[in-house]
Parts: sequence; C-alpha cells; structure tokens
Amino acid sequence: SAVISQKPSRDICQRGTSLTIQCQVDSQVTMMFWYRQQPGQSLTLIATANQGSEATYESGFVIDKFPISRPNLTFSTLTVSNMSPEDSSIYLCSVELTSGTLGGYTFGSGTRLTVV
Amino acid sequence: ILNVEQSPQSLHVQEGDSTNFTCSFPSSNFYALHWYRWETAKSPEALFVMTLNGDEKKKGRISATLNTKEGYSYLYIKGSQPEDSATYLCAGANQAGTALIFGKGTTLSVSS
Repeated sequence: SAVISQKPSRDICQRGTSLTIQCQVDSQVTMMFWYRQQPGQSLTLIATANQGSEATYESGFVIDKFPISRPNLTFSTLTVSNMSPEDSSIYLCSVELTSGTLGGYTFGSGTRLTVV
Repeated sequence: ILNVEQSPQSLHVQEGDSTNFTCSFPSSNFYALHWYRWETAKSPEALFVMTLNGDEKKKGRISATLNTKEGYSYLYIKGSQPEDSATYLCAGANQAGTALIFGKGTTLSVSS
C-alpha cells in the first residue's frame, strides 16, 4: 500500500496570509484528492488533482482560494490563500490504492490549521 | 452517493462494553462503502470496504454489515478497549475511481 508523507502537521497562521501543504507519495498514483474537515463537520472533498492537468474543484471551492499543484505522479501541494478564521480545519490528502474504489484509499496524517 | 449520515455523533462506553454505530446512505447508485478509524494526529486507517448486499466483514473485535437495499451499514465493536477510542468514519462512492463522500463520523470514547 502507498505511504503518504504530509507536512506541515500543524500550523498557526495570521489571517490574510497563505499556507502551502505538501503531500509526497512513495509510489506513482494517478489521482490525488484533497479534503478538509472543519470543526464538527465531515471530511469534505476540495478537489481532485491529476498530473498534467488542472485540478477539478468541488462546488464551493475555487482555484484562487485553494490553488493546487501536481507536478508529477508522486507529489502535490494545496495552498490555502488569504486565510481567515473560517479556514481553520484539518486538511488531508488522499490517494487511491488501486484502480476503482474497491482498492480502498490511503491518507496523509493531516495538517491541522488554526487561523488567528 | 450524495449524502452519508452517521449516528450517533459521539458515544462513551466502559471498557468491556460492546457497541455499534450506524451509517446510512442513498440506496440508489451504490457502488462501495468504506469504514475508517481515525485517531487524532494520525492518518485515517482503513477498516473495511464493502460492496455486496448482505456483506459481513470482521477484523478482530470489529465487524461490519451492509444492507444496500435499505441503505445502511452497521459497525460493531465487541468488548471495547480504551485503545478503540477514535472517530469512526463511513464513506461511500457511487462509481469506481471517484473520491469518497464521508459522513461526519462517530467519536467513540472508552473508559477503563
């Protein structure tokens, strides 16, 4: 199974600044997914990142606020831009272990972001 | 699967108690259901992937059942231990190769 290294594990940031979260996978994967969990809410999909093309964003999420890079098949970054306290969440990256959802998914250990 | 719901939101039991939680989902366009265990500061850990109506899976003291016709899955923990304390997430998908849709989770706390 794939192993994902996600960093930073946590950060406290000032409002108006930006934070870039990195995920490194130990094997090549086609799709990477970015989620966030706001307090008391479910894990919500932000976007799907494919190598070589622009990320696909879910309703309510836009590229200007959450730009994503996917330069190769093992790495991706998510930037949280112009942060406000409402962006305080846990952010997770995820990859599909094998083709199709029957293979399951693996996750990074998360980035706990607090915006003050 | 557009909406996955879990209940209860939180649960507190004593060591040795058995417990169960519920995950419900729309029965139309069902493809697969996943259960994860998530401890603070760790990655969500995959427990089960279930696809067939009537599926029952077991991993140690934890087991799960699936009813796709009525749209629910149960997760059971037998003889709860303090190390079982975590948030248990249920997630569904309505086709292969897509991202999972998660419920809000059930947070279990087991006291010794």
